[in-house]
Amino acid sequence: AQTVTQSQPEMSVQEAETVTLSCTYDTSESNYYLFWYKQPPSRQMILVIRQEAYKQQNATENRFSVNFQKAAKSFSLKISDSQLGDTAMYFCAFMNGNQFYFGTGTSLTVIP
Amino acid sequence: DADVTQTPRNRITKTGKRIMLECSQTKGHDRMYWYRQDPGLGLRLIYYSFDVKDINKGEISDGYSVSRQAQAKFSLSLESAIPNQTALYFCATSKRGTSGNNEQFFGPGTRLTVL
Repeated sequence: AQTVTQSQPEMSVQEAETVTLSCTYDTSESNYYLFWYKQPPSRQMILVIRQEAYKQQNATENRFSVNFQKAAKSFSLKISDSQLGDTAMYFCAFMNGNQFYFGTGTSLTVIP
Repeated sequence: DADVTQTPRNRITKTGKRIMLECSQTKGHDRMYWYRQDPGLGLRLIYYSFDVKDINKGEISDGYSVSRQAQAKFSLSLESAIPNQTALYFCATSKRGTSGNNEQFFGPGTRLTVL
């Protein structure tokens, strides 16, 4: 079975600073996909960034980037130049082509 | 217009009542999913469907049932609601196939409270 672990239930960061959210996963599969979703107070789930396991290059989307370490089964999210609108719950997710598996989430607060 | 809609958005009911949560999508996706979200537990899969004639149990299907009435509609039922089914419920859709573009698209969620 696949498991996704987010070991930081809560984090905070000063506005304009950089923060990294951790995610590890456990799988025996070689081909899979990883995602970070954001859930702001509106509770809508929004895709932030995705990574395909067969790609060695780390994905980047504007201020969001990942550090994908396949051997270590680690997939951390870095948010640069944090903004107040980044305050949200962040979920790491693993997909093997059939099902998605989500971590328990990290609540991020950006402090003005 | 929203691509994935859920009705109702909020519902308060009593123990023992039958409740149906509905999900509709205009994305043309084959795959649909129902999750529940609880504080500290993340999203847990209840049921999923890869097409109209395909229904699969997820991690926590006990106490729930589903119906895939059409490609665009997937409803979740609680036959006899109990207080520990109080949660935020999400419907999601995704495309068929194994691709990094097959992320899930979520509805706005239904907040269900069982008294």
